[in-house]
Amino acid sequence: EDKVVQSPLSLVVHEGDTVTLNCSYEVTNFRSLLWYKQEKKAPTFLFMLTSSGIEKKSGRLSSILDKKELFSILNITATQTGDSAVYLCAVEARAGNMLTFGGGTRLMVKP
Amino acid sequence: NAGVTQTPKFQVLKTGQSMTLQCAQDMNHEYMSWYRQDPGMGLRLIHYSVGAGITDQGEVPNGYNVSRSTTEDFPLRLLSAAPSQTSVYFCASSYGSGLSNSPLHFGNGTRLTVT
Repeated sequence: EDKVVQSPLSLVVHEGDTVTLNCSYEVTNFRSLLWYKQEKKAPTFLFMLTSSGIEKKSGRLSSILDKKELFSILNITATQTGDSAVYLCAVEARAGNMLTFGGGTRLMVKP
Repeated sequence: NAGVTQTPKFQVLKTGQSMTLQCAQDMNHEYMSWYRQDPGMGLRLIHYSVGAGITDQGEVPNGYNVSRSTTEDFPLRLLSAAPSQTSVYFCASSYGSGLSNSPLHFGNGTRLTVT
């Protein structure tokens, strides 16, 4: 059974701090790993990672994948209150038509 | 550009009632799917479709039916609602018939309570 585990479950930081969110996975026939940000409603797409060691970057957010150790991290530098959200990690595997999601990390950024 | 539209936003049902959650997308996406989100359990796939006329089961299909008669619409039917189906339901779509080249776009969700 495919499994995706995120840590920590929740995190409280102050504005300006840097945070690292973790995602480990055990899946059959890995194809890609995706990060989403979920505020109050729909998850919104952040990154899709398919190759080890290649960092994806968007502003203050970055992510990298390690296919040997089966994990990914999402870094957020200089956090802002608008970064407060649940961050979801998902892995595409097997036939390529299903995503397995982790339970999410709830991030709260205090002013 | 509407994206993925789900209706209703909220629904309360009594045990045993049936209902249909609607999902429509205007992006000409081939792939559509339904997830449910429960506290601490992330998103779990219920059913998905890779194109009109084709549907398949996900991780938690029991108690739900789907059909895909058009590219745009992918309704989810609850046959006989149970309290265990209390959840937030998300519809999501993706360009092409698979996920590898295009991430999922999500609707805003339907919050369902079964009493």
